[in-house]
Amino acid sequence: QKEVEQDPGPLSVPEGAIVSLNCTYSNSAFQYFMWYRQYSRKGPELLMYTYSSGNKEDGRFTAQVDKSSKYISLFIRDSQPSDSATYLCASMIYNQGGKLIFGQGTELSVKP
Amino acid sequence: EAQVTQNPRYLITVTGKKLTVTCSQNMNHEYMSWYRQDPGLGLRQIYYSMNVEVTDKGDVPEGYKVSRKEKRNFPLILESPSPNQTSLYFCASKEGLAGANTGELFFGEGSRLTVL
Repeated sequence: QKEVEQDPGPLSVPEGAIVSLNCTYSNSAFQYFMWYRQYSRKGPELLMYTYSSGNKEDGRFTAQVDKSSKYISLFIRDSQPSDSATYLCASMIYNQGGKLIFGQGTELSVKP
Repeated sequence: EAQVTQNPRYLITVTGKKLTVTCSQNMNHEYMSWYRQDPGLGLRQIYYSMNVEVTDKGDVPEGYKVSRKEKRNFPLILESPSPNQTSLYFCASKEGLAGANTGELFFGEGSRLTVL
């Protein structure tokens, strides 16, 4: 079992839809949780990060962590065609040199 | 412009022919790492380096070597490539433990390697 599991999709939604992307993880020691966005033929870029449980909002994006159920979520409101990309969740244990464990990535397509 | 630069971006080679993928960052980052990305498997860490002359294995180090002689450079060496090393490779860097809490890795644009 991978330490971080993510449904690879692909996921296709109409413009303006609310998108929910989800991951589960197995290691209770994970402390930091990130979402990276990867456009086609590009490297991943950090989108959002959270520490421990809770929500974090940035514009149309909301990251949510529920440590009790080991669940990581990213919500995108009013999705745009420019949001079409692969979204990777990642988790980290601080005292292991900051090593990130990535999920498989979910490919999202937002249709105009 | 802050960036991680990898070369070559695309390479087709044959089994057994040694190759090196270079990686350079201009952000004075202490930490550098190599990942490979494969369909269904996501990003997997090959090697990482916490600082100059300090390297360690990641999750899939077999068949690869690295060196960190300078802070800015972290080349990935495939001494005798095999077809199962056909993949998309990413070099990444971050500030080290001081910046570890955000988990912000800065990635290069990737090197697509095909081994025939």
